[in-house]
Amino acid sequence: SQTIHQWPATLVQPVGSPLSLECTVEGTSNPNLYWYRQAAGRGLQLLFYSVGIGQISSEVPQNLSASRPQDRQFILSSKKLLLSDSGFYLCAWSVSPGAGYTFGSGTRLTVV
Amino acid sequence: EDKVVQSPLSLVVHEGDTVTLNCSYEVTNFRSLLWYKQEKKAPTFLFMLTSSGIEKKSGRLSSILDKKELFSILNITATQTGDSAVYLCAVILMNRDDKIIFGKGTRLHILP
Repeated sequence: SQTIHQWPATLVQPVGSPLSLECTVEGTSNPNLYWYRQAAGRGLQLLFYSVGIGQISSEVPQNLSASRPQDRQFILSSKKLLLSDSGFYLCAWSVSPGAGYTFGSGTRLTVV
Repeated sequence: EDKVVQSPLSLVVHEGDTVTLNCSYEVTNFRSLLWYKQEKKAPTFLFMLTSSGIEKKSGRLSSILDKKELFSILNITATQTGDSAVYLCAVILMNRDDKIIFGKGTRLHILP
């Protein structure tokens, strides 16, 4: 069966520290992968998406970056976190165009 | 700019009431509209709507799409406390990257 794993579930990091969030998908190949951030009162904002290994598209300029080193692995990173990076981060994948998303369980990041 | 607007932003009703959640959209290259339910963590899929006027139904939940007026509604009848959640509306854009634009959600709280 197809599953998506995202970790860690919660994270508290000081300002200026690095970040690495990982998302992996099982049971499928060549999925479209997405990183979303959900801030209070702002809904889900698309940060990055990837249609293949090494292919990253950025939706908004920001302090974050993404990488896809393997077909089913999607990583969200930052070299130096800002307070404004706090939020709920969701990884999602799409099996085919128009099929909608399946979400990972999310990471709640608090930058202090 | 593509956008999805949900109303109301929050709603409090008593158990047993019927609620209607609204979603309007302005996007280029519309493919489909999605409804998700989000409790504490990842959104869970409810409905995908692609054609106008065809009601989708799952138990006490139902939804319909109007592609002429560019909106959708989600109805919940005989509400229960377990229906308390944030309900997200999203639109899939018709392009090879399968991007999805989310609304800010409607926070529904059911009083016992």
